Amino acid sequence: SQKIEQNSEALNIQEGKTATLTCNYTNYSPAYLQWYRQDPGRGPVFLLLIRENEKEKRKERLKVTFDTTLKQSLFHITASQPADSATYLCALSKMWSSARQLTFGSGTQLTVLP
Amino acid sequence: NAGVTQTPKFRVLKTGQSMTLLCAQDMNHEYMYWYRQDPGMGLRLIHYSVGEGTTAKGEVPDGYNVSRLKKQNFLLGLESAAPSQTSVYFCASSYRGGPNSNQPQHFGDGTRLSIL
Repeated sequence: SQKIEQNSEALNIQEGKTATLTCNYTNYSPAYLQWYRQDPGRGPVFLLLIRENEKEKRKERLKVTFDTTLKQSLFHITASQPADSATYLCALSKMWSSARQLTFGSGTQLTVLP
Repeated sequence: NAGVTQTPKFRVLKTGQSMTLLCAQDMNHEYMYWYRQDPGMGLRLIHYSVGEGTTAKGEVPDGYNVSRLKKQNFLLGLESAAPSQTSVYFCASSYRGGPNSNQPQHFGDGTRLSIL
């Protein structure tokens, strides 16, 4: 069956360091992958999207890589700040679905310590 | 511009009761979705809609019904609530885009539902 795993439920990191979150998947060939941020008591907020034919995508302090051979995506936050503390979700999409269905991982809770 | 609005924000039900969760979006999105989020399990798709008057089943549809009578609204119904339906429910919407289009989803802030 299709499975998505995000590394460790919780990740603590010192302010100013680079946070790296991992998303691994099996039995899946996603057309693209999305990353979302979720704060306590709020809905997920879209951050970045990367397509299967793209190796890397950047947005300000955020960088996402997508390795379809390893079936893995890495999400990096450089120069991390306490305000980056949140749960980060990866989501994979099937190739052409009329509903753009996404399958979400359970998330990694990131805490940036001052 | 409110985005996606969900009502109510909290609700406690007794087993066997029924209720309807309302989702409204003001972005003119074609697609709308209902998810549930449980600890350690991530978001799971319940039902979705690709346009006004259409609905389809997602990964975990049993025990739920939906309706999309207007483009901006998507209703989720529980006909006979069960304790297993205790969860946080999120509604989302997105543009349709073209074939193989990769549209992000916009989420509401959820409805926290407890079934006793």
